[in-house]
Amino acid sequence: EIVLTQSPGTLSLSPGERASLSCRASQSVPNSYLAWYQQKPGQAPRLLLYGASSRATGIPDSFSGSGSGTDFTLTISRLEPEDFAVYYCQQYGSSPYTFGQGTNLEIK
Amino acid sequence: QVQLQQSGPGLVKPSQTLSLTCAISGDSVSSDSAAWNWLRQSPSRGLEWLGRTYYRSKWYMDYAVSVKSRITIKPDTSKNQFSLQLNSVTPEDTAVYYCTRAGGRQWLGNFLEYWGQGTLVTVSS
Repeated sequence: EIVLTQSPGTLSLSPGERASLSCRASQSVPNSYLAWYQQKPGQAPRLLLYGASSRATGIPDSFSGSGSGTDFTLTISRLEPEDFAVYYCQQYGSSPYTFGQGTNLEIK
Repeated sequence: QVQLQQSGPGLVKPSQTLSLTCAISGDSVSSDSAAWNWLRQSPSRGLEWLGRTYYRSKWYMDYAVSVKSRITIKPDTSKNQFSLQLNSVTPEDTAVYYCTRAGGRQWLGNFLEYWGQGTLVTVSS
């Protein structure tokens, strides 16, 4: 099973700043099959990116992803108030399809 | 627009069977470019993928090892829905359960674009 470790656990930033969230895998993720999700309280997760860097439908270009192998990054170029949430990475290259423990992006 | 509507009880007694259903609109459970997944989320276990069913000339199911001996995911083509059964539940199975769809017009992998609303299932006597 591929274990995903996200860092930091909590990231405190201000609107307008740039956010970088890390997701590290215990072994190489096949085909860079890595997705990112955003979750707000009381809601289901929302798909942001798949294939490490492809944006899902309707996701603004302020969200971008990079990485391959075992190291992946989600970048939010300029934080809007609605971007403060919990972010999860998921690998879907190898069953079981595992998730990271999440990064809580909070307003400073 | 794909919508997934979950139904099922929110309280299950220990040792009994947890049963949830996910009704699909805007797509077909028999789509040959989609997969229909169940996941759960709890404070102690985080987001956990449980299993999926999908149709590629025949039906396939695959399950997480952690629940493989207790889980069944079944499609129902007559009602365009799929279901989750988890046997012999314990309080550790208390979680929010989600049904989700991977894929769409083409199969690009098991990332999850559409989600049901979530069902909090509590295992307690």
